[in-house]
Amino acid sequence: QKEVEQDPGPLSVPEGAIVSLNCTYSNSAFQYFMWYRQYSRKGPELLMYTYSSGNKEDGRFTAQVDKSSKYISLFIRDSQPSDSATYLCASCETGGFKTIFGAGTRLFVKA
Amino acid sequence: NAGVTQTPKFQVLKTGQSMTLQCAQDMNHNSMYWYRQDPGMGLRLIYYSASEGTTDKGEVPNGYNVSRLNKREFSLRLESAAPSQTSVYFCASSALGQGRNTEAFFGQGTRLTVV
Repeated sequence: QKEVEQDPGPLSVPEGAIVSLNCTYSNSAFQYFMWYRQYSRKGPELLMYTYSSGNKEDGRFTAQVDKSSKYISLFIRDSQPSDSATYLCASCETGGFKTIFGAGTRLFVKA
Repeated sequence: NAGVTQTPKFQVLKTGQSMTLQCAQDMNHNSMYWYRQDPGMGLRLIYYSASEGTTDKGEVPNGYNVSRLNKREFSLRLESAAPSQTSVYFCASSALGQGRNTEAFFGQGTRLTVV
């Protein structure tokens, strides 16, 4: 079992929909939780990160971590075609260098 | 401002050949990383260098070697390429570790095919 599990999709939604992307993790020592966005044939770019449990909002994006259930979520409101990409969740320990990535979920937002 | 630059962008090798993937960053970052990305597997850490002069194994180090040449450059070497090493390789850098409030910046990737 991978330390970070993520459904690879693909996930297809109409423009304007609310998108929910989810991951689970197994390592209780993970304290940092990150979401990266990767466009086709490009390197990943950090979208958001959260330390420990709780919510973090940035524009149309909300990251949520529930450490009791080891569940990581990313919500995208008013999704746009430009949001079409692969979204990777990732986790690491405090001060850690070994970030563990999920498999990535491919998202398609149809105009 | 180039960020993280990887060379080459594409490469085809025959089984048993060797090659070195080059990576350079211009952000004065302390830490550098090499990942491979395979379908359905996400990104997996091969090696990392927490700071100049140090290197450590990641999740999948077998078949690879690395060199932190200086603060800017971190190379990945395949001594005897195998078809299982066909993948997209990403180099990344961060100011500190990837936790501790700093993000990792990724290069554009090297697409390697071993035949």
